Amino acid sequence: EPEVTQTPSHQVTQMGQEVILRCVPISNHLYFYWYRQILGQKVEFLVSFYNNEISEKSEIFDDQFSVERPDGSNFTLKIRSTKLEDSAMYFCASSDQNPTDTQYFGPGTRLTVL
Amino acid sequence: QKEVEQNSGPLSVPEGAIASLNCTYSDRGSQSFFWYRQYSGKSPELIMFIYSNGDKEDGRFTAQLNKASQYVSLLIRDSQPSDSATYLCAVNPGSGYNKLIFGAGTRLAVHP
Repeated sequence: EPEVTQTPSHQVTQMGQEVILRCVPISNHLYFYWYRQILGQKVEFLVSFYNNEISEKSEIFDDQFSVERPDGSNFTLKIRSTKLEDSAMYFCASSDQNPTDTQYFGPGTRLTVL
Repeated sequence: QKEVEQNSGPLSVPEGAIASLNCTYSDRGSQSFFWYRQYSGKSPELIMFIYSNGDKEDGRFTAQLNKASQYVSLLIRDSQPSDSATYLCAVNPGSGYNKLIFGAGTRLAVHP
């Protein structure tokens, strides 16, 4: 069964450093998403991506964040200068033909900012 | 501000019983509704989706949607200890929105 994959599973970084989280969405899916979940809190939407551009973003997704689809399979989230409060689980998701379709989540990357 | 509300629990049920999980949402234009299960430290795993008013059954799971009351529920029949997890209600706000809004989740504990 196709699945969303994410690497790395755990990333530890120093405050102020740049990190890139990587995702491979399900093949032939058209919509891609990043969510985050701070420990003990709800899953929060960050950004959605369709047709090689951002289609929607939340207030959390400020200038420190960027997304890219560098090739036909990868989808990345970059945080330029990490803060302590960026420590969270980051989930990538993808959906098929419509934004209202089911979103399938990857296993997540746990980001720890020291 | 679009909101999805769930009782945080824990909801404790004996093995074999029916677990009933509830969710309300604020945006009347919401079009699609999802139940995800999340084990501790893991990612959300889809249980069911529902788009139309009424009931939708899949094995031991039944999702119920009432758009007039802005209410969606999940029933788990014959609950098993392996069903113990946090259940997340997620809503797509509808046309023009390309995201899911999640509730905080209800923690379910099924005891033998």
